[in-house]
Amino acid sequence: GAVVSQHPSWVICKSGTSVKIECRSLDFQATTMFWYRQFPKQSLMLMATSNEGSKATYEQGVEKDKFLINHASLTLSTLTVTSAHPEDSSFYICSAQQTAETQYFGPGTRLLVL
Amino acid sequence: GENVEQHPSTLSVQEGDSAVIKCTYSDSASNYFPWYKQELGKRPQLIIDIRSNVGEKKDQRIAVTLNKTAKHFSLHITETQPEDSAVYFCAARGGYALNFGKGTSLLVTP
Repeated sequence: GAVVSQHPSWVICKSGTSVKIECRSLDFQATTMFWYRQFPKQSLMLMATSNEGSKATYEQGVEKDKFLINHASLTLSTLTVTSAHPEDSSFYICSAQQTAETQYFGPGTRLLVL
Repeated sequence: GENVEQHPSTLSVQEGDSAVIKCTYSDSASNYFPWYKQELGKRPQLIIDIRSNVGEKKDQRIAVTLNKTAKHFSLHITETQPEDSAVYFCAARGGYALNFGKGTSLLVTP
């Protein structure tokens, strides 16, 4: 399958700081990428859809000013968690859409906010 | 929006037995149904998918069936092995995004 990378793989930060997570499609161009959050033993919850060259579409209940998404190229989308707090601690996973349907996931970023 | 229900939440089988995981969806416009396997701390991996114009698809020990009328689809794993132990997620897509079920934790005991 297609390769999607994510960086960093884990991050620990102090409350109030901002954290940027990168998602890259390595061997294909992805017009659309998705950002998910996954709490322990729970399912993947879609946060937002990132479209290259346009504004992201956020799911209900996700604060767009807190979770900033930028999709500046066909191979890179970034998620910035601004003013992170302990309740933002989670596993953040991106996925990139290779075809009209098929999505491939990045390895995820584990965020711990102290 | 789409609502995907998945059952059971946990499933324990003995090595060599079959495992079946079932999902239902609510949006009749959904036309793509992938299944993902996620091992602890790792990314979900696409293991099989089916489109709405197909009723069944098989790939070695894994098969998926789809009943569009009833709006449900199932994952079948035969001759299970300990390495099949993981969390399995079904998903349905009607618009632009996938909607995931809550997952099934499968344990295959030797």
